[in-house]
Amino acid sequence: GNSVTQMEGPVTLSEEAFLTINCTYTATGYPSLFWYVQYPGEGLQLLLKATKADDKGSNKGFEATYRKETTSFHLEKGSVQVSDSAVYFCALSDRGGATNKLIFGTGTLLAVQP
Amino acid sequence: DTGVSQDPRHKITKRGQNVTFRCDPISEHNRLYWYRQTLGQGPEFLTYFQNEAQLEKSRLLSDRFSAERPKGSFSTLEIQRTEQGDSAMYLCASTGTSGRSYEQYFGPGTRLTVT
Repeated sequence: GNSVTQMEGPVTLSEEAFLTINCTYTATGYPSLFWYVQYPGEGLQLLLKATKADDKGSNKGFEATYRKETTSFHLEKGSVQVSDSAVYFCALSDRGGATNKLIFGTGTLLAVQP
Repeated sequence: DTGVSQDPRHKITKRGQNVTFRCDPISEHNRLYWYRQTLGQGPEFLTYFQNEAQLEKSRLLSDRFSAERPKGSFSTLEIQRTEQGDSAMYLCASTGTSGRSYEQYFGPGTRLTVT
């Protein structure tokens, strides 16, 4: 079945450091890929998305590229801020299915220190 | 604010009691999802509605769980005879049918604690 694997946290970085959070997926067909962010005490917010191979999603300085050959969708940011501290979830949606339900990874906690 | 809303935000109940949660999706969205998130895990799909029709239920949704969306607008999730293992965050999400990516917009969640 479809699944998402993302690197375990916590990831602890100093402000202005480079961020990479790895995400790989297993899916039949051609899923859409997403990164969601969950700030403390809040719900999930869509951070970025990509719907086909080689698409690059970007938002708020974060980027991720849909790599079909490596079944990956790694999240990157060139310079993190303390306000980026949150839990990040990689997810896929099987567009060939009837429901387009999301399948999530386990989440990666990012802690950015000043 | 016209986002997804959920009520209550927090619920503490004793084992064996029944609880009901409500979700109000974004008004023009016809698709509605319920997910469950336990500590340290990603959300897991529970059930899906298109308009008022419940089209898919996860095997996670035992017989003690029931969900409705009577008029294709708000939805309720009821858990009967709660167990400690039901303690989790219950998330609701909605989406429309326009566009190709079917982005889901999440509510703030209802945190259930069963004592």
